[in-house]
Amino acid sequence: DAGVIQSPRHEVTEMGQEVTLRCKPISGHNSLFWYRQTMMRGLELLIYFNNNVPIDDSGMPEDRFSAKMPNASFSTLKIQPSEPRDSAVYFCASSPSRGRQETQYFGPGTRLLVL
Amino acid sequence: QKEVEQNSGPLSVPEGAIASLNCTYSDRVSQSFFWYRQYSGKSPELIMSIYSNGDKEDGRFTAQLNKASQYVSLLIRDSQPSDSATYLCAVIGRGGFKTIFGAGTRLFVKA
Repeated sequence: DAGVIQSPRHEVTEMGQEVTLRCKPISGHNSLFWYRQTMMRGLELLIYFNNNVPIDDSGMPEDRFSAKMPNASFSTLKIQPSEPRDSAVYFCASSPSRGRQETQYFGPGTRLLVL
Repeated sequence: QKEVEQNSGPLSVPEGAIASLNCTYSDRVSQSFFWYRQYSGKSPELIMSIYSNGDKEDGRFTAQLNKASQYVSLLIRDSQPSDSATYLCAVIGRGGFKTIFGAGTRLFVKA
């Protein structure tokens, strides 16, 4: 299995530009998570999908952030417009079930730098 | 109070010693507890999960859970330099799906 795939692995952009991060979960997993990790705030859950439906987006920082999951094998996280404080590592993770005991498998992350 | 708290470290232990990592959580109804390891520049990977009070052993790793004290720990026996990483405690809280991560404890194992 290829594991969770994320692209791009690195992104450098200028403030005000639109940024789109992509994720392909592990085949057969029906839960998908977007996280953001910074030194100051640690690993924060942004949004969680189950069966392609957003279940909890309370972690999305503001309206500049949006996420979609049009099908079971693809999700995007978009930031528009981007700001320097959005600089972080963004992880996508997937899980095989929505049970109480779910292990999450993380992708390699996208390192975003907004200048 | 943070939902999941860990000592940020760094925790430094000599090779071959036991490393003890601790975590407390605030939500009493939490049912699932995990330890993830994250090497510098890499993504978190699961090393242990525990759901019942007591100890759970897997190789050199032992997870301990005390729900009454809202405390979970990870022991690493015979620590190796390759164990040097940040260890994240994670808890699935109320609602049964949202995983809350602690800030992590940095562990250094000196050769």
